[in-house]
Amino acid sequence: EAQVTQNPRYLITVTGKKLTVTCSQNMNHEYMSWYRQDPGLGLRQIYYSMNVEVTDKGDVPEGYKVSRKEKRNFPLILESPSPNQTSLYFCASLLSGNAPYNEQFFGPGTRLTVL
Amino acid sequence: AQSVTQPDIHITVSEGASLELRCNYSYGATPYLFWYVQSPGQGLQLLLKYFSGDTLVQGIKGFEAEFKRSQSSFNLRKPSVHWSDAAEYFCAVGGRNFNKFYFGSGTKLNVKP
Repeated sequence: EAQVTQNPRYLITVTGKKLTVTCSQNMNHEYMSWYRQDPGLGLRQIYYSMNVEVTDKGDVPEGYKVSRKEKRNFPLILESPSPNQTSLYFCASLLSGNAPYNEQFFGPGTRLTVL
Repeated sequence: AQSVTQPDIHITVSEGASLELRCNYSYGATPYLFWYVQSPGQGLQLLLKYFSGDTLVQGIKGFEAEFKRSQSSFNLRKPSVHWSDAAEYFCAVGGRNFNKFYFGSGTKLNVKP
């Protein structure tokens, strides 16, 4: 089944404790992206990757890191989480940056709470 | 600056009534436009998308949207709402090279019996 998976789905952590949220897709998609969703703000893009070893900042990259060492995986790293990073996080992927008929496939979300 | 505005935070309609959710965008080039739906506790599902051609696009679940370039709008419509349509709806815009995407703040739809 074609899908985007995220782990963990729920995470409660404390300020300053490094964490990684994994994202994996099995569709051989080139493009992957991370979003955070906050009430009243919709989804905001954190980072995106057009292909392996190619990443770029979205609108809200501060406090986050990403890496794209293999096509299928795009982990989101919070080196020193803070309470303002408490949010619902979504990973997404799509086939190619230049195909006009593509759509983003979203993962199920990771609810992160930073105390 | 690129942005998407959904002016209605909450909308309540009666089951069987028609629905229109508004979306206005600001984008420096010809955009790709999308509508997504998110049911409570769920991820996002694509309802429809506009890339080019016919400005009236049909989507899943009986939804349609019309792209109006002169008004920078991409409103979502459904002629007869079902109780199962209660959810949050997001409009989004993306560039033609599919790098950055911008989402609106969402409209929560309640459906009265």
